[in-house]
Amino acid sequence: EIVLTQSPGTLSLSPGERATLSCRASQSVTSNYLAWYQQKPGQAPRLLIYGASSRATDIPDRFSGSGSGTDFTLTISRLEPEDFAVYYCQQYGDSPRFTFGPGTKVDIQ
Amino acid sequence: QLQLQESGPGLVKPSETLSLTCTVSGGSISSSSYYWGWVRQPPGKGLEWIATIYYTGSTYYNPSLKSRVTISADTSKNQFSLRLYSVTAADTAVYYCARHEVHLWLPVWFDPWGQGTLVTVSS
Repeated sequence: EIVLTQSPGTLSLSPGERATLSCRASQSVTSNYLAWYQQKPGQAPRLLIYGASSRATDIPDRFSGSGSGTDFTLTISRLEPEDFAVYYCQQYGDSPRFTFGPGTKVDIQ
Repeated sequence: QLQLQESGPGLVKPSETLSLTCTVSGGSISSSSYYWGWVRQPPGKGLEWIATIYYTGSTYYNPSLKSRVTISADTSKNQFSLRLYSVTAADTAVYYCARHEVHLWLPVWFDPWGQGTLVTVSS
């Protein structure tokens, strides 16, 4: 099983700042098959990024994904008030087995 | 626009069976372009994939839950279902159904998701 770890656990920032979230895999993720999701309280997760760097439909370009192998990054270039949420990474390189990271909470400083 | 809606009992007794149904509207679960899956989230915790099904009937399970889970589909009703047997308090969670995109004939990321339904295991 591919285990994903995310860091930091919590990121305290102010609107307008840049957020950098990390996702590390216990082994190389095939073809960079990694997705990122955003989850707000009381809501279902929403797909942001797939294939490590491709934005999903209607996702603002302030969200970007990068990385390969075992190290991946989600960057939010300038935090908007609606971006304060929990972010999860998910690998599907081991499909049809899927694992999620434990999440990074981005909260308002 | 595709929508998914979970339904089922909100309270299940320990040792009994949890049964949930996901009703899909705005698209067909018989499409060869998608798989369909279940993910759960215990209160205040992270996400855990449970199971996935294709319209052909092919099924895939999280190894940690495989002995207690069955996923099935009813294409005539455009629904797919989850059954989790012998539940304990550790199975208390919000259960989400979601669509998988397909890439190279395999299920990949989840999009979109249903709103989720909280199932509590308690006597």
